[in-house]
Amino acid sequence: QVQLQESGPGLVKPSETLSLTCAVSGPSISSYYWNWIRQPPGKGLEWIGYIYHSGSSNYNPSLKSRVTMSVDTSKNQFSLKLSSVTAADTAVYFCAKYNSDYKAFDIWGQGTMVTVSS
Amino acid sequence: EIVLTQSPGTLSLSPGEGATLSCRASQSVTSNSLAWYQQKPGQAPRLLIYATSSRATGVADRFSGSGSGTDFTLTISTLEPEDFAVYYCQQYSSSPLTFGGGTKVEIK
Repeated sequence: QVQLQESGPGLVKPSETLSLTCAVSGPSISSYYWNWIRQPPGKGLEWIGYIYHSGSSNYNPSLKSRVTMSVDTSKNQFSLKLSSVTAADTAVYFCAKYNSDYKAFDIWGQGTMVTVSS
Repeated sequence: EIVLTQSPGTLSLSPGEGATLSCRASQSVTSNSLAWYQQKPGQAPRLLIYATSSRATGVADRFSGSGSGTDFTLTISTLEPEDFAVYYCQQYSSSPLTFGGGTKVEIK
């Protein structure tokens, strides 16, 4: 049974870097594409990007200049860094497993709320 | 970028009624790349349908998906109390992966 759990600060100051980690329980992280998705309060879903265990990645062009994702196979977890944050980056951040056969996200973390405020 | 437009924004229905949700793409989407999710307040989205019409594991058969090209539909044959939620379509026919804006199915 695959489980994902996000962790990280709930409050980040403007212009600083948001850092989140997603711990993977179940399969080795050395399979599948691991994704970050966010949802501003009361709004829809926005795909941020994915990281593969090899380190290859693909980011949403709208955020690409500010996003870095990485994977730590020894800890079976992957991470998101979003730099130069503003209030517009306030959102619930979800990590999710992408199923390549389905071309969809079949497992999601519970999500973690990140507020950008001084 | 493929823009997905969902309609209506809100659907007000009673339990027992049927629901038809639309997802229109700004350009053609391959049928194996269109998925639907259900999201309830305070929860992560849950995968319902993938590849346009295949139900995910454990999804009730009152949920069905159809469509092709730029027009896709999620149908709920008979609404149960637990089906009142927000529904999102999603495509990964081309990068970046995008979601529709959502349709809220609320109790009338």
